[in-house]
Amino acid sequence: DAGVIQSPRHEVTEMGQEVTLRCKPISGHDYLFWYRQTMMRGLELLIYFNNNVPIDDSGMPEDRFSAKMPNASFSTLKIQPSEPRDSAVYFCASSPATRLNTGELFFGEGSRLTVL
Amino acid sequence: AQRVTQPEKLLSVFKGAPVELKCNYSYSGSPELFWYVQYSRQRLQLLLRHISRESIKGFTADLNKGETSFHLKKPFAQEEDSAMYYCALQTGANNLFFGTGTRLTVIP
Repeated sequence: DAGVIQSPRHEVTEMGQEVTLRCKPISGHDYLFWYRQTMMRGLELLIYFNNNVPIDDSGMPEDRFSAKMPNASFSTLKIQPSEPRDSAVYFCASSPATRLNTGELFFGEGSRLTVL
Repeated sequence: AQRVTQPEKLLSVFKGAPVELKCNYSYSGSPELFWYVQYSRQRLQLLLRHISRESIKGFTADLNKGETSFHLKKPFAQEEDSAMYYCALQTGANNLFFGTGTRLTVIP
């Protein structure tokens, strides 16, 4: 298993452009999480899904951010329009309920976003 | 509201010296606490969980409810311990909240 797969690994864009980050969770994992990592704030939980349904999106910073999970094997995080302060590493993580109950998430390699 | 605090962003110790990475939490419920580690060029991964009371790679962490702390300790640091360490709190809703992280550098 290749683990959680995220794309793109690096994205450089200009302010105002739309950014779409993609995630393929590990097959069979029914929980999917999106986190944002910055030096100042560490790892912030943005949103998480259970069985493709968004459960808690209270961490999504503002309406410019949206996330979807159309099926069990794919999720997107979209920023429209992007701003320089959105520059960060965005992580996707997945887990089956049995492992999540003991605190284990399986992380992707992250997508490094730079907004100029 | 839940909160995880790691007061040190950077920590440097010499090889063979003891190391302690601090973590304090705030949560009204019964806490489930964890340490995650990210080695260079590797994915973030679970290091240990408080409920297991285990020692992983020589690291231990004790939950102190009176001080609301979950510090990570190792008696003799090794160069391969250099990494980013995150303390995490799991609430009853199954989501994990992470601290700001501490970058540990072990000096040869």
